[in-house]
Amino acid sequence: DGGITQSPKYLFRKEGQNVTLSCEQNLNHDAMYWYRQDPGQGLRLIYYSQIVNDFQKGDIAEGYSVSREKKESFPLTVTSAQKNPTAFYLCASKIPGSTRGYTFGSGTRLTVV
Amino acid sequence: AQKITQTQPGMFVQEKEAVTLDCTYDTSDPSYGLFWYKQPSSGEMIFLIYQGSYDQQNATEGRYSLNFQKARKSANLVISASQLGDSAMYFCAMKTYNTDKLIFGTGTRLQVFP
Repeated sequence: DGGITQSPKYLFRKEGQNVTLSCEQNLNHDAMYWYRQDPGQGLRLIYYSQIVNDFQKGDIAEGYSVSREKKESFPLTVTSAQKNPTAFYLCASKIPGSTRGYTFGSGTRLTVV
Repeated sequence: AQKITQTQPGMFVQEKEAVTLDCTYDTSDPSYGLFWYKQPSSGEMIFLIYQGSYDQQNATEGRYSLNFQKARKSANLVISASQLGDSAMYFCAMKTYNTDKLIFGTGTRLQVFP
């Protein structure tokens, strides 16, 4: 079955360490997105990519980096520059220009201690 | 600026009753789409219903309907015949056609009791 895989489900890191969250899709979607979710704040867009080797900053890109070397993969690195990295991270994908069809992964809960 | 507002942090409804979750939006773009997603405690976002700004009819998907009032910029979700499994967070979201970004509200936690 097609879908988005985010791994791991739970991730723990020490403060000051970079950490990379995985997002893989087999839907053949060109566009991919990373969102951050904090309690009471809904989802906020971190980065998005509409095509391989291209990506744009979202509303809260500071302290994060991404790459898009393959259509299927859009990993997110939470760097030590991110002041408050503990959050729930969701990856999504869709067909560009489609008015519907956003598909979400099941998320990664990152805890920095 | 584009914005989605959900003013109900939490709602309670009895099983088999209908419930309305409120959503207002703000955009200057005449072409946009409105979405509702359900997020159970497991975390995944489940698409429920979509309404385009030029759609003449209110969207319906099974027990879900969207009460779209364009002049008031509201897109309320109506769940009929609530079930215990409907207990979850519900998010309203918007995408304008000149961007490729989905903007979310802060969500409403719905609890269905027997």
